[in-house]
Amino acid sequence: AQTVTQSQPEMSVQEAETVTLSCTYDTSESNYYLFWYKQPPSRQMILVIRQEAYKQQNATENRFSVNFQKAAKSFSLKISDSQLGDTAMYFCAFMNSGAGSYQLTFGKGTKLSVIP
Amino acid sequence: DTEVTQTPKHLVMGMTNKKSLKCEQHMGHRAMYWYKQKAKKPPELMFVYSYEKLSINESVPSRFSPECPNSSLLNLHLHALQPEDSALYLCASSPSQVNTEAFFGQGTRLTVV
Repeated sequence: AQTVTQSQPEMSVQEAETVTLSCTYDTSESNYYLFWYKQPPSRQMILVIRQEAYKQQNATENRFSVNFQKAAKSFSLKISDSQLGDTAMYFCAFMNSGAGSYQLTFGKGTKLSVIP
Repeated sequence: DTEVTQTPKHLVMGMTNKKSLKCEQHMGHRAMYWYKQKAKKPPELMFVYSYEKLSINESVPSRFSPECPNSSLLNLHLHALQPEDSALYLCASSPSQVNTEAFFGQGTRLTVV
């Protein structure tokens, strides 16, 4: 079974600053996907960024980038130039890319507050 | 249209009531999901439909009954719920069963009294 660990229950960052959210996972699989989802107070889960395990290059999406360390099973999210709208719960998630893979395994989440 | 629409947004029901949650998407996605999310916890998978057939039931009690009438709609029928079933119920869809591009709705906040 896979497990996803987010060791920071809460974090805060000043507007325009950079913050890094940590995530580690445990799996015996070699092919999988990793995700960061954002859940603002509006409740909708929004995909922030996705990383395929076979790709060595770290994924980036505008102000969001990841540091994927496959050997260390680490998948941290860096948010640059933080904005008030980034205030949300952030969930790291794992999915096995094998056949019949439906389930996202989520970490417990990190509550991020962006301070004006 | 990249939306997953869930109705109602809020629902309060008694333990003897029967109600239904509705989820709709028009992105042509062939996989749809129900998740349950308790406060300050991550979502937990309940059911997966792939091509309108139930693929996964994560040992969910029978008082929750999913239904997929067509490729755009997913319902969750509720009957004889318990107060501990109060939670946010999230629907999601993805192009295929490997949900690397899952889109979530805003959820239905359910309170059982």
